[in-house]
Amino acid sequence: TQLLEQSPQFLSIQEGENLTVYCNSSSVFSSLQWYRQEPGEGPVLLVTVVTGGEVKKLKRLTFQFGDARKDSSLHITAAQPGDTGLYLCALSGSARQLTFGSGTQLTVLP
Amino acid sequence: GAVVSQHPSWVICKSGTSVKIECRSLDFQATTMFWYRQFPKQSLMLMATSNEGSKATYEQGVEKDKFLINHASLTLSTLTVTSAHPEDSSFYICSAIRQGAGGYTFGSGTRLTVV
Repeated sequence: TQLLEQSPQFLSIQEGENLTVYCNSSSVFSSLQWYRQEPGEGPVLLVTVVTGGEVKKLKRLTFQFGDARKDSSLHITAAQPGDTGLYLCALSGSARQLTFGSGTQLTVLP
Repeated sequence: GAVVSQHPSWVICKSGTSVKIECRSLDFQATTMFWYRQFPKQSLMLMATSNEGSKATYEQGVEKDKFLINHASLTLSTLTVTSAHPEDSSFYICSAIRQGAGGYTFGSGTRLTVV
């Protein structure tokens, strides 16, 4: 059983559309990170959310941490082909290792 | 700053041979490095945690005798896939944490194909 479940698993949309990716867990976590990974590359950190209810914005990306700190969402406004990639949520364990969510593969078509 | 170099970026080897992958922190010291494996269209799965000067900690289901990890210095960890088989073909990624504090920095990955 995946500790972090992401949905949807795959998403293909047209340029200019909006989308939301979800990351859910049955456990409470102290903080959560979002990464984006392009083919053949390692993941790149987008944001870390720490406080329940927290909202962070990174240009057209909006990240939200659920009030109960068991879920998070990533919303992209006016998606562009450059947003294509694998989006991963992750949480840090006691030994500082990262556990990744199941991932959402986003394809933005021009 | 905080650059992690992974080498090679891709490798093809014959079944039964061994392959070594290097992970170097170029501009910082990393007491802890992590090794992940990623199959196509899947997420990253942690294989092992590598601490400088001590034995690696392997995740459940990862064979320590098959995936040898050495972390002999604060800037280098190596993963050796021994007696590789086609099912070991995957994308292997390392990450490092800066000594003392700091976030994770990932290498660019190694695509291993065993034929």
